[in-house]
Amino acid sequence: AQSVAQPEDQVNVAEGNPLTVKCTYSVSGNPYLFWYVQYPNRGLQFLLKYITGDNLVKGSYGFEAEFNKSQTSFHLKKPSALVSDSALYFCAVRVIGGSYIPTFGRGTSLIVHP
Amino acid sequence: SAVISQKPSRDICQRGTSLTIQCQVDSQVTMMFWYRQQPGQSLTLIATANQGSEATYESGFVIDKFPISRPNLTFSTLTVSNMSPEDSSIYLCSVGGTGFQETQYFGPGTRLLVL
Repeated sequence: AQSVAQPEDQVNVAEGNPLTVKCTYSVSGNPYLFWYVQYPNRGLQFLLKYITGDNLVKGSYGFEAEFNKSQTSFHLKKPSALVSDSALYFCAVRVIGGSYIPTFGRGTSLIVHP
Repeated sequence: SAVISQKPSRDICQRGTSLTIQCQVDSQVTMMFWYRQQPGQSLTLIATANQGSEATYESGFVIDKFPISRPNLTFSTLTVSNMSPEDSSIYLCSVGGTGFQETQYFGPGTRLLVL
């Protein structure tokens, strides 16, 4: 079985400050990890993914995520938040070589204050 | 990447009626996926639609309630039948992610409110 936890329903950060959106996972095997963003009244947009290799993955809009195998985490980060980053963020996981159907977290609402 | 469009983008429907949602992809794909996103909740896979065969439904979803068509490799429809207020959700069409290192892409969603 595979699962994803996003422990924070909402994250508040001031514009210009660094942001972190947390994600932990549980899988039997090697994980394939994703982050998606959903802006208001829009569908999910792909941000970044981790398969193998460098634990720090860089994605769209200046976001990056760090894969930590020992902590089974894949936290999303950005050095300097923008008001336009305010959106709903989803972490997802599937097992490499397993089912192609990912498991999504419940989402974290990021609110960036001016 | 795939470009996915959905129609309608939103609708308000009366209970007991049905709504058909269309999904169009800009390239040929073997599998198309339909998800439901209920308010404040995560994405739940409804079914996988393969061209030329019956859709495969996930646990808790049945064909009578959510009939799916897949007439060709770029198009699919999902019908939400005999709607109730509990069907108020965002319905998302998706493609990709089935191959190694392949990314899954989503359409803009259909926002359904059932009164």
